[in-house]
Amino acid sequence: GQQVMQIPQYQHVQEGEDFTTYCNSSTTLSNIQWYKQRPGGHPVFLIQLVKSGEVKKQKRLTFQFGEAKKNSSLHITATQTTDVGTYFCAEGGNQFYFGTGTSLTVIP
Amino acid sequence: EAQVTQNPRYLITVTGKKLTVTCSQNMNHEYMSWYRQDPGLGLRQIYYSMNVEVTDKGDVPEGYKVSRKEKRNFPLILESPSPNQTSLYFCASSPLPPHNSPLHFGNGTRLTVT
Repeated sequence: GQQVMQIPQYQHVQEGEDFTTYCNSSTTLSNIQWYKQRPGGHPVFLIQLVKSGEVKKQKRLTFQFGEAKKNSSLHITATQTTDVGTYFCAEGGNQFYFGTGTSLTVIP
Repeated sequence: EAQVTQNPRYLITVTGKKLTVTCSQNMNHEYMSWYRQDPGLGLRQIYYSMNVEVTDKGDVPEGYKVSRKEKRNFPLILESPSPNQTSLYFCASSPLPPHNSPLHFGNGTRLTVT
């Protein structure tokens, strides 16, 4: 069944505001990946985190992996309309699980 | 161009009429998988395949079949579709199991079963 819980399910922000989505697991994760799905599109890989406490940045996006490797977050600074979409975390081995996703709406 | 190709993009069918959704990748990927996406439930794995002739159940395999006779193709078969299989389906592939390499997704197949 579902291995990671993701919150919030929806987030509406004004353009320029920040946005954060969280993934939590009851078990220790070996690694976690993040994907973005634009409206009407397919999921696209963003990044993978492997190490405890790891922080990676991609322009305005900051990804964190918790010290205990049980949670992760994606933070977007100063959102733009191009950030609209659904963000998923994902983890697993051969069987690979996705979180329920956070749908981001950016109001111009 | 490296890609995962699914067909058809849209399909409307009736209960009980067998259908196949095709998936093909041109990247020589070992791992392939099918997911269904439903509102509020995210992406749920149906079946996956580690290599030719090797397939395994995912989270929601009931009502679905797959085969992996060639490395590039991984069709999803619904022998007797039911309305609860109305969903958006994605095929995905990766060079290695996805915890080691990112998944590449097809454009999706929107299936409606009436």
